[in-house]
Amino acid sequence: DAGVTQSPTHLIKTRGQHVTLRCSPISGHKSVSWYQQVLGQGPQFIFQYYEKEERGRGNFPDRFSARQFPNYSSELNVNALLLGDSALYLCASSFYSNTGELFFGEGSRLTVL
Amino acid sequence: GQQLNQSPQSMFIQEGEDVSMNCTSSSIFNTWLWYKQDPGEGPVLLIALYKAGELTSNGRLTAQFGITRKDSFLNISASIPSDVGIYFCAGQLGSGGYQKVTFGTGTKLQVIP
Repeated sequence: DAGVTQSPTHLIKTRGQHVTLRCSPISGHKSVSWYQQVLGQGPQFIFQYYEKEERGRGNFPDRFSARQFPNYSSELNVNALLLGDSALYLCASSFYSNTGELFFGEGSRLTVL
Repeated sequence: GQQLNQSPQSMFIQEGEDVSMNCTSSSIFNTWLWYKQDPGEGPVLLIALYKAGELTSNGRLTAQFGITRKDSFLNISASIPSDVGIYFCAGQLGSGGYQKVTFGTGTKLQVIP
């Protein structure tokens, strides 16, 4: 069975550009969450979507946005990139909307120059 | 954003030794979880705890949900080389369909064969 898949795995952008990261959840999982992991720290919650609706948002600026599609896949968009946005962006899926038992993908490593 | 405090930050141990690490929070959680992250991969769930005072085992791993709901610890018995990685505690309120999981700062474990 396929796990959570994310694309791209690595990408390099320059300040001011925007980026779109994609995530496909485990089949049957309707909840998708996004986390940012800066080097040397634990993951930080960005968004949760369940059944295409935003269920929660972490303490991130409006430059960050996301959406979930009818097939439960999701996109994370970041506009006007800053150097500090360089991080590993993790997508996690789960069957239930309020469980902490998350299944993570391998992440998208974003470097902003 | 908030992160839970984990200690120790890193540890070197001999293969076969037991390991203990803990996690504290300034706020209460209804669920405590422990994840492990290997280099280049996303975190993987090891143990989930749902009740204050609960002690749960998963093979050589044992974790406890603190009675105050503000702390948790993880023990690994008879460590082996594949235990190497970063261990994250995580807390979750889980109310109102809201999934946000708050992660700790991580404990990096290195096992000397």
